[in-house]
Amino acid sequence: DQQVKQNSPSLSVQEGRISILNCDYTNSMFDYFLWYKKYPAEGPTFLISISSIKDKNEDGRFTVFLNKSAKHLSLHIVPSQPGDSAVYFCAAKVPGTQGGKLIFGQGTELSVKP
Amino acid sequence: GAVVSQHPSWVICKSGTSVKIECRSLDFQATTMFWYRQFPKQSLMLMATSNEGSKATYEQGVEKDKFLINHASLTLSTLTVTSAHPEDSSFYICSASKGPYYNEQFFGPGTRLTVL
Repeated sequence: DQQVKQNSPSLSVQEGRISILNCDYTNSMFDYFLWYKKYPAEGPTFLISISSIKDKNEDGRFTVFLNKSAKHLSLHIVPSQPGDSAVYFCAAKVPGTQGGKLIFGQGTELSVKP
Repeated sequence: GAVVSQHPSWVICKSGTSVKIECRSLDFQATTMFWYRQFPKQSLMLMATSNEGSKATYEQGVEKDKFLINHASLTLSTLTVTSAHPEDSSFYICSASKGPYYNEQFFGPGTRLTVL
């Protein structure tokens, strides 16, 4: 039972254009969502997050949108840069878990071409 | 900052031996640490949640006698893969949380385990 899904395993974008990465979830009890960036053979690094009480959070080139009714969130990267090429994971925090248990999606590999 | 280290970064061992992986929070105290496993091209699968001074909580399907977790201090958790077999070969990643009121987890760089 995959509670967090990233249905696009890969995405290719031209440098300077917008990258949109999507994530769907099934559990309406999730109260916090995070995006992580991961390079091969490295641990994930935190990018941006959003609380379930908000519908948008912006940090520089990164914006996360949350649509609770659709149980959908997306990460927008504008403008995309070649250094953004990596695997992006969305994660949902399970409420009521000590320390914040996360459930991860399958990841989307973003390739930004010069 | 929130830096988490793992040691070793990679290890190769013979089948039947045990391997210990350390996870340290370098600049904060981690009341909770998590251990994940990642297969190539797949997601991070949570193996267990480790709380300082108490027994780890294992996810369904994870053998607690095979994957021994110890969280002896607020800055150190260890994962020991006992009697390792080739199917245990994987990328193991730990993460640490600053506490129950923090939402983010901070990840270590991971450990590549290869069992021959």
